[in-house]
Amino acid sequence: EIVMTQSPATLSVSPGERATLSCRASQSVSSNLAWYQQKPGQGPRLLIYGASSRATGIPARFSGSGSGTEFTLTISSLQSEDFAVYYCQQYQNWPPSTFGQGTKVEIK
Amino acid sequence: EVQLLESGGGLVQPGGSLRLSCAASGFTFSSSAMSWVRQAPGKGLEWVSGISAGGGDTPYADSVKGRFTISRDNSKSTLYLQMNSLRAEDTAVYYCAKKVSGAAPFDYWGQGTLVTVSS
Repeated sequence: EIVMTQSPATLSVSPGERATLSCRASQSVSSNLAWYQQKPGQGPRLLIYGASSRATGIPARFSGSGSGTEFTLTISSLQSEDFAVYYCQQYQNWPPSTFGQGTKVEIK
Repeated sequence: EVQLLESGGGLVQPGGSLRLSCAASGFTFSSSAMSWVRQAPGKGLEWVSGISAGGGDTPYADSVKGRFTISRDNSKSTLYLQMNSLRAEDTAVYYCAKKVSGAAPFDYWGQGTLVTVSS
């Protein structure tokens, strides 16, 4: 099973600032990596797939990069609605599809 | 608009059973692979089980293998999860999620249904 590790666990950022979230895979997942956003009481929402492709309706301030074992989600200028928990997920080796433990982006 | 609506959650005693349903609309259900993903209170996401579009492929997480059964009724656009021999550690919000194929991300998720296993 591929283990996904996210850092940091919590990121404190001021509105308008840039946020950079990291995700590391225990073995190569090529570009088969997705990022999700989850707000309290809601199901996750797909942001990025294929490591760098934005899902339908996702604003351009969200971008993904990386391949192999190291990945990054960048939010260029945080808006109030972006404060949430973010998860990465690998779907290279499935089943099982595995998720990172999440990064909470909170208001500084 | 894609909609996934889970139901069937509730309070059940250890060792008991529960069946979850997920009613789908807004897309061609019979062409989509589906999964159940759960989230224990205050914790992260854990994939539980998946099912191919035709229903012939049904993998499970080791933590639920032999206790849970996933199924689908394409004529009703509904996904199911039969959960038997429930344990306290199965307490979680259960989400149904859609994907295009087996090795793909989950492009749509439901709002979830809470399952609590407690005496």
